[in-house]
Amino acid sequence: EPEVTQTPSHQVTQMGQEVILRCVPISNHLYFYWYRQILGQKVEFLVSFYNNEISEKSEIFDDQFSVERPDGSNFTLKIRSTKLEDSAMYFCASSSSGREGLFGPGTRLTVL
Amino acid sequence: GENVEQHPSTLSVQEGDSAVIKCTYSDSASNYFPWYKQELGKRPQLIIDIRSNVGEKKDQRIAVTLNKTAKHFSLHITETQPEDSAVYFCAARESDYKLSFGAGTTVTVRA
Repeated sequence: EPEVTQTPSHQVTQMGQEVILRCVPISNHLYFYWYRQILGQKVEFLVSFYNNEISEKSEIFDDQFSVERPDGSNFTLKIRSTKLEDSAMYFCASSSSGREGLFGPGTRLTVL
Repeated sequence: GENVEQHPSTLSVQEGDSAVIKCTYSDSASNYFPWYKQELGKRPQLIIDIRSNVGEKKDQRIAVTLNKTAKHFSLHITETQPEDSAVYFCAARESDYKLSFGAGTTVTVRA
């Protein structure tokens, strides 16, 4: 069964640095999403991407964040000038229909 | 925007008993309601979902009910087993592009 994959599994960075989190969605899916989950809290929507553009974003997704689909397979989340409060698990998800979302294994981001 | 409330936050049941988790949502435009199971350190896994044109859906020991008028939906797990222990999240989709999650319920099944 195809799965969403994410790299790296764990990223440690210094406050103020830029990080890029990478995702490979399921190949025939058209909708892509990023979510984050602060330890012990609920999953929060960040952004969705469809037809090569952002379709919706949350209030969390400010100018510090950007997403890109640099080629036909990868989907990236860039966080510029990371802050301590950006420490969380970041999940990528993809969907064929805009409904069910299949999640990747996540990237644990630790900002020191 | 959509606001999803989930109760209880923790639930402890004896193996073999049933577990019920309830969620309410605020946006009447929401039309799709998935449930996710998340084991410690793992990704959320979709376990069942329901669309707004359906009142109930069942998959083996898991069932979900939806009351659109009252804007609430519930997850029912029957004959619970130790492997059902996890955090369960309900969610509501108000558009094709955004899924709003509840705060989660930590279910512990006692052997």
